[in-house]
Amino acid sequence: DSGVTQTPKHLITATGQRVTLRCSPRSGDLSVYWYQQSLDQGLQFLIQYYNGEERAKGNILERFSAQQFPDLHSELNLSSLELGDSALYFCASSARGGRLGQETQYFGPGTRLLVL
Amino acid sequence: GQQVMQIPQYQHVQEGEDFTTYCNSSTTLSNIQWYKQRPGGHPVFLIQLVKSGEVKKQKRLTFQFGEAKKNSSLHITATQTTDVGTYFCAGYQAGTALIFGKGTTLSVSS
Repeated sequence: DSGVTQTPKHLITATGQRVTLRCSPRSGDLSVYWYQQSLDQGLQFLIQYYNGEERAKGNILERFSAQQFPDLHSELNLSSLELGDSALYFCASSARGGRLGQETQYFGPGTRLLVL
Repeated sequence: GQQVMQIPQYQHVQEGEDFTTYCNSSTTLSNIQWYKQRPGGHPVFLIQLVKSGEVKKQKRLTFQFGEAKKNSSLHITATQTTDVGTYFCAGYQAGTALIFGKGTTLSVSS
């Protein structure tokens, strides 16, 4: 158990819909990262938040957005869903995040999204 | 853009055999991290390499970072069934995000 929690574990929805994925980082961690894992693309970095502010952006689509709240939990919003958005979405956290990629990241169990 | 290639994609070994996965970047990396993901699980951090030519060992696992900081390898000696999973390298170049390789999936038969 990494200490990072994600809800829900599974989500089934239809094309065109909008969903929200939630992540609570490890106690004391200030940075939250979101990743998408699919069979063909592998693990893709989407976005990082540090203490409520966006710190780095990866391959995140315009239909996707995220935020980190004052209590440091984060939400990833996926809208106008397409079949290709079906994937495993991971949240990870790290202690600080001052220099992206130089801290140990602790991954949550993931949310498996299926778009029908 | 920056790419991190990992080979092989799959590897099957008999228990007790050695295993190696290789990671190559198109650009010089500031550091590289290795993660392991068990089937149905989430990535778990194994180690970080920062210095050119660095070698680190964790029990049966040996990690190397190339002299040019463009490649890395993970070698497992005498594999066990508990080593089953997908091993990812993730490279970081200053000013960019952490780029993950597509991973090497290891299966071990006893």
